Amino acid sequence: GESVGLHLPTLSVQEGDNSIINCAYSNSASDYFIWYKQESGKGPQFIIDIRSNMDKRQGQRVTVLLNKTVKHLSLQIAATQPGDSAVYFCAENHRPERGTSYGKLTFGQGTILTVHP
Amino acid sequence: DGGITQSPKYLFRKEGQNVTLSCEQNLNHDAMYWYRQDPGQGLRLIYYSQIVNDFQKGDIAEGYSVSREKKESFPLTVTSAQKNPTAFYLCASSPSGSSYEQYFGPGTRLTVT
Repeated sequence: GESVGLHLPTLSVQEGDNSIINCAYSNSASDYFIWYKQESGKGPQFIIDIRSNMDKRQGQRVTVLLNKTVKHLSLQIAATQPGDSAVYFCAENHRPERGTSYGKLTFGQGTILTVHP
Repeated sequence: DGGITQSPKYLFRKEGQNVTLSCEQNLNHDAMYWYRQDPGQGLRLIYYSQIVNDFQKGDIAEGYSVSREKKESFPLTVTSAQKNPTAFYLCASSPSGSSYEQYFGPGTRLTVT
């Protein structure tokens, strides 16, 4: 899960294993939750998102689970590959404030995933 | 290719100098954003723009300025008033009203000594 400070949570797995990355969010009014992958020195890359009225969404090799009761989000990566090694961020989209059309993304601190061949 | 470009990839400046980071997109997105990322941390919003000639402060706007004269371009100026300017700067864009659908550029790493 996420933590405060400069030491990111880390997850090390063997190639072929399944990975689960967790995230706690803060705003019960958020309407979308997004997972991004960021490789070293690059910009974040969209992986998958889930709307707040859903519990589960599946993509290619990835599944996102949303538990609104405990404000918890997880990303499951099946058959993890060395190319999956990166920092993974969750983000929550806050609904627009009254009188504006702008929503806002708030990012977690990230989890470092290392996949060993 | 459609996407977001940021230039340069690496930028070095002396303390006390203003510096402008470029961000261009050809996705025809109305909204554009600037984030700052420090080591071991998530992204923090500096400024955002929903439409040409309009922009708003994000969570950490002090010491930064922006302009949005064209839909495709959203340059960020890091001024000498920014106390800790060394960071990785990321630009993003999204369709209007879809802030959850942001696409990011490759980033500019700014080092101020």
